[in-house]
Amino acid sequence: KQEVTQIPAALSVPEGENLVLNCSFTDSAIYNLQWFRQDPGKGLTSLLLIQSSQREQTSGRLNASLDKSSGRSTLYIAASQPGDSATYLCAVNSGKGAQKLVFGQGTRLTINP
Amino acid sequence: SQTIHQWPATLVQPVGSPLSLECTVEGTSNPNLYWYRQAAGRGLQLLFYSIGIDQISSEVPQNLSASRPQDRQFILSSKKLLLSDSGFYLCAWRDPSTGGHCTFGSGTRLTVV
Repeated sequence: KQEVTQIPAALSVPEGENLVLNCSFTDSAIYNLQWFRQDPGKGLTSLLLIQSSQREQTSGRLNASLDKSSGRSTLYIAASQPGDSATYLCAVNSGKGAQKLVFGQGTRLTINP
Repeated sequence: SQTIHQWPATLVQPVGSPLSLECTVEGTSNPNLYWYRQAAGRGLQLLFYSIGIDQISSEVPQNLSASRPQDRQFILSSKKLLLSDSGFYLCAWRDPSTGGHCTFGSGTRLTVV
């Protein structure tokens, strides 16, 4: 059974810092991995999708990497801004059958002005 | 372009009352559809998924049921709500032919009183 863990559970940093959020998964046989952002009381916004054959994906100040063999992914946020404050969720798609997502518990990020 | 609609946004229901949450997807056909629940302080839990009309699978035993009367319509129901059914319910869809992004709706906040 796939299990996804995100570390740290919460992170508070001053504005302008570069930061890394970590995600690990127990079964390396994945189809793809998706990073989401969730603002309080809101739905999930997809940030980046990395296919199992890819090593990284970039969108603006965000960069996500994937090391499938070691069961790890990282989300790198450059030059953090207060608007980046949210919960960041990592989700793994095994690609089997209905392609269900298994989520980590999330990292609650606070960027202080 | 594809869009997903979920309603209502918030709902307060007494214990023992029925429930019906609706989700529709536009701009695609034969999507995989999913219902997730996010309880307070907990991660996202997959409740139901569907790979086609009248093809519903349940992930966890519970007081809820799901139906897919049309290709792009997914309904979450209960005959009698329990206090433990309170939570944030999210509908999502994915194009199974591409295995790409899983896109979420804006969610329904359900409070059972």
